[in-house]
Amino acid sequence: DVKVTQSSRYLVKRTGEKVFLECVQDMDHENMFWYRQDPGLGLRLIYFSYDVKMKEKGDIPEGYSVSREKKERFSLILESASTNQTSMYLCASSFGGPLHFGNGTRLTVT
Amino acid sequence: DQQVKQNSPSLSVQEGRISILNCDYTNSMFDYFLWYKKYPAEGPTFLISISSIKDKNEDGRFTVFLNKSAKHLSLHIVPSQPGDSAVYFCAASADNAGNMLTFGGGTRLMVKP
Repeated sequence: DVKVTQSSRYLVKRTGEKVFLECVQDMDHENMFWYRQDPGLGLRLIYFSYDVKMKEKGDIPEGYSVSREKKERFSLILESASTNQTSMYLCASSFGGPLHFGNGTRLTVT
Repeated sequence: DQQVKQNSPSLSVQEGRISILNCDYTNSMFDYFLWYKKYPAEGPTFLISISSIKDKNEDGRFTVFLNKSAKHLSLHIVPSQPGDSAVYFCAASADNAGNMLTFGGGTRLMVKP
């Protein structure tokens, strides 16, 4: 079974802090994704990566950046956290098929 | 503007009956559609998919129907079980592989014993 692990289940940060969300997958998948889930809006794609050191913007990249130095790890960075980035963040990986998701990180920015 | 819409935020069904979850889309480039199921405190899990070359796909109690002319798909669960209670997300892709997904807002299904 594919395992996608997000390092934190819950995170509380202050406005203006730099925040790192980490994601690791164990199935050697090429593709990795970061989504955020908000009530009524479903899941929206922030960034994705098809290979090491490669990144592409999704639908809502503003205020975020990513890093993929190793194939199994994809990090989401909030350069300066703001209250409107309070959300559930979901990492996913795939190899040409349906996405496999981690359990999510609920981030609260106060 | 949401390209994939699930107009019912919630649905309540009696155990043993049919659950029908609906999804509409606007982008005619979408050619692959998926349903994901999400329990609280867990990530979404893939349930069933359908390619635009088909109008029906079945997997056990789950059937997805696609009406391309109406840009509408639906998920039927028969018979519904209490363990099916979850949030269901419809998703669509234009790359025929399900990589770049656009999700609907989700429908919370409650199956009452």
